[in-house]
Amino acid sequence: SQTIHQWPATLVQPVGSPLSLECTVEGTSNPNLYWYRQAAGRGLQLLFYSVGIGQISSEVPQNLSASRPQDRQFILSSKKLLLSDSGFYLCAWKRMGDLDTQYFGPGTRLTVL
Amino acid sequence: AQSVTQPDIHITVSEGASLELRCNYSYGATPYLFWYVQSPGQGLQLLLKYFSGDTLVQGIKGFEAEFKRSQSSFNLRKPSVHWSDAAEYFCAVDLTGGGNKLTFGTGTQLKVEL
Repeated sequence: SQTIHQWPATLVQPVGSPLSLECTVEGTSNPNLYWYRQAAGRGLQLLFYSVGIGQISSEVPQNLSASRPQDRQFILSSKKLLLSDSGFYLCAWKRMGDLDTQYFGPGTRLTVL
Repeated sequence: AQSVTQPDIHITVSEGASLELRCNYSYGATPYLFWYVQSPGQGLQLLLKYFSGDTLVQGIKGFEAEFKRSQSSFNLRKPSVHWSDAAEYFCAVDLTGGGNKLTFGTGTQLKVEL
């Protein structure tokens, strides 16, 4: 069966510090991968998605970037965090080519102080 | 602009009562439709989905949803709510048909009174 991992589970960072959140998927190959942010009281906003290694689509202009160094690894980064980057970050995967479901990881709670 | 609306931010129901959570979308064609549930501090779990065919779809945990094209709605229902159903519920639509761009509603927080 497939599983998706995210770490860390929680993170508190000062403004201006760098960020690296990691997401890995097990039990599948060539997944589509996604990063979402959920701000307090708001729905989920798609930040990035990737259909293959090194292929990143950005959905909103922002202070964040994403990379996919390996088939089942998706990283969300920032060089300098802003207060507005606080939120709950969710990674998801989907079988490539399917009109199918996105499966979500447990999330990372990021607080920028 | 294309959007997804969940008009109820909070809903409180008694255990054993029926439940209906509303979802409306604004889009010219029929999108792919999903309902997810999120427990506090957790990721999202898929309850059910609609792509085509029978407009009444059954999901996990006793939930069902009905797609009504004329009303651009995809409301989630459960005939008898359990205390463990307390969570946040999100409606989502795939407007592009490729499965890569889900647009989520802002969610409905469900509280269940014992």
